[in-house]
Amino acid sequence: RKEVEQDPGPFNVPEGATVAFNCTYSNSASQSFFWYRQDCRKEPKLLMSVYSSGNEDGRFTAQLNRASQYISLLIRDSKLSDSATYLCVVNRESNFGNEKLTFGTGTRLTIIP
Amino acid sequence: DVKVTQSSRYLVKRTGEKVFLECVQDMDHENMFWYRQDPGLGLRLIYFSYDVKMKEKGDIPEGYSVSREKKERFSLILESASTNQTSMYLCASRPDRVSYNEQFFGPGTRLTVL
Repeated sequence: RKEVEQDPGPFNVPEGATVAFNCTYSNSASQSFFWYRQDCRKEPKLLMSVYSSGNEDGRFTAQLNRASQYISLLIRDSKLSDSATYLCVVNRESNFGNEKLTFGTGTRLTIIP
Repeated sequence: DVKVTQSSRYLVKRTGEKVFLECVQDMDHENMFWYRQDPGLGLRLIYFSYDVKMKEKGDIPEGYSVSREKKERFSLILESASTNQTSMYLCASRPDRVSYNEQFFGPGTRLTVL
């Protein structure tokens, strides 16, 4: 089983719609969770961290379900500029106590005018 | 703004060549990382460094080595390039060893090995 699994998509969604992605992770000891966004031919950039209680940033809502080991991202009122690949990211600890991140392969989203 | 720069955007090398990829960050970050990104496989960690001259293997270190002589600079070395090392290479930095701090990525180097 992959450490972090995402539906690769593509999700083709009309402008203004609501879209949600899920991601599952296998390491129950993981403590930090993130969504990164990667535009075509660009580097990944942090979209938002995911907190236990769930968190919202404008049109974006992230939630964590520890019992089922999944995180989700909800985008409301989608804009053309939301077209990108969304990477689910989970932390893990190395042998020497340094924290590393495991990246999912990403979910590709295209917003259609 | 944090800035992570990489020495080349595109690089073409021949099989067997020694290849150096350079990464520089300007925010005095302790941790630096090298990833490669391939379609369907996502970002995979090659090596990372948590301090000057300190390094730790990632998930796919075979065929690679790294060097960190100064805090701001982290180099990835392909000792003898092979065609299966054709990939997008991304460098990242983070303030310290704690993962809830954001990782900042460079623009990437697309390496083609012929």
